[in-house]
Amino acid sequence: EAGVAQSPRYKIIEKRQSVAFWCNPISGHATLYWYQQILGQGPKLLIQFQNNGVVDDSQLPKDRFSAERLKGVDSTLKIQPAKLEDSAVYLCASSSGFSNEKLFFGSGTQLSVL
Amino acid sequence: RKEVEQDPGPFNVPEGATVAFNCTYSNSASQSFFWYRQDCRKEPKLLMSVYSSGNEDGRFTAQLNRASQYISLLIRDSKLSDSATYLCVVNSYGNKLVFGAGTILRVKS
Repeated sequence: EAGVAQSPRYKIIEKRQSVAFWCNPISGHATLYWYQQILGQGPKLLIQFQNNGVVDDSQLPKDRFSAERLKGVDSTLKIQPAKLEDSAVYLCASSSGFSNEKLFFGSGTQLSVL
Repeated sequence: RKEVEQDPGPFNVPEGATVAFNCTYSNSASQSFFWYRQDCRKEPKLLMSVYSSGNEDGRFTAQLNRASQYISLLIRDSKLSDSATYLCVVNSYGNKLVFGAGTILRVKS
């Protein structure tokens, strides 16, 4: 079974530039999550989709971050403009159910903002 | 108070030792609890779910104490390969999963 696919694996940008990350969840998984993990911290939920609808985006900095999941399958997360404090690993995860199910994570995108 | 709190460690133990981690949570209505393992520069992976009656998987035992709002993870006969960060995960307000900051375990020969 294919896992959660993410790209790119690494990204280096300068502050104020924009960047986009892509995620393709496990086939058939209705729930998709984007987490931000800053070095030394646990993953922090940015946004949760159930199919193509947003379930929770309370911790998404909406002035600079946006995410979409068109057609309820793959998803993109965008940052525009980036700040130094956005340097982190961005993890995409999917699950078959709704929050109480096992999460399967992708390998993540390591973002460095200079 | 943070929703999920863990002792960051690191816990440095010799091979064969028994080690235990605790995790406290703030939402008394939480119903689901998990331990995830994260290796250096890798993604988190589910280690085990934590049930009200406690559960055991080989050398790993997880316990839930609802009255004191904490969960624990016990690792017996530690192996070098157990070295990792252990993340406590709790479903919180709005039924979202909240991760703790993680506890670092280093097993040394």
